[in-house]
Amino acid sequence: DAGITQSPRYKITETGRQVTLMCHQTWSHSYMFWYRQDLGHGLRLIYYSAAADITDKGEVPDGYVVSRSKTENFPLTLESATRSQTSVYFCASSERNRDYEQYFGPGTRLTVT
Amino acid sequence: GENVEQHPSTLSVQEGDSAVIKCTYSDSASNYFPWYKQELGKRPQLIIDIRSNVGEKKDQRIAVTLNKTAKHFSLHITETQPEDSAVYFCAAARYQLTFGKGTKLSVIP
Repeated sequence: DAGITQSPRYKITETGRQVTLMCHQTWSHSYMFWYRQDLGHGLRLIYYSAAADITDKGEVPDGYVVSRSKTENFPLTLESATRSQTSVYFCASSERNRDYEQYFGPGTRLTVT
Repeated sequence: GENVEQHPSTLSVQEGDSAVIKCTYSDSASNYFPWYKQELGKRPQLIIDIRSNVGEKKDQRIAVTLNKTAKHFSLHITETQPEDSAVYFCAAARYQLTFGKGTKLSVIP
C-alpha cells in the first residue's frame, strides 16, 4: 500500500481558489485514475491516464484538470474550487486498464468553504 | 454509459450468519466485475473479482456469482465475523470501472 501516496491528506480551501492534489506511485503502473467519493454516490471516475502524456475524461470531469508528465505522478487540479467539489478524492493505479486490480491511495479529504 | 445498481444500501447480520449483496448492470458488453471493501476511513481494497467467462468464483469465505443473461452479480460472505463490517462496492467494466453506491455491512457480535 505504501506504493501509492496522496498529498495533502486534508485540505480546506475557499471558493474560487485553485487547488492541486498530488498522487505518486512507485510501481511504474501504466494506468492511473482519479475518483471522488461522496455519500450516496459511491466512487465516480473524474479522469484517467493510460501513460505519460495520455489522459482522458471520466464520468465527472467538469471543473478538473489533470496532467501526467511522468509515469509516477498524476496531479489533479481544481482550477476554481466550488462547494460542490467538497469530497474525498482517491487516486488509483493499475498495471492494465479496466479488467485488472486497481490499487487505491489513502485519499485526500477536501473541504471548500 | 454503464449504470450499476447495488442493493441493499445497509445490511446487518449476526456474527456467523451469511450476507448477500446484489448488483445489476446495464451494459451487456461489460465483462469484468470486481468487489471492493472499504473500512471506515480507509482506502477501497479489492477482495474478489470475476470475469464474464466465469459463472462463480470462491475465495475462502467469500464468493461471487455472475448471471450474464440477467445482468446481475452477487457477493456472498459466509460465517461472517466482526472484521467483515465495512462498506462493500461492486463495479462493472466495459471501458472503465463504474461503481455501485455501496452497501454498509454491520456484523453484530
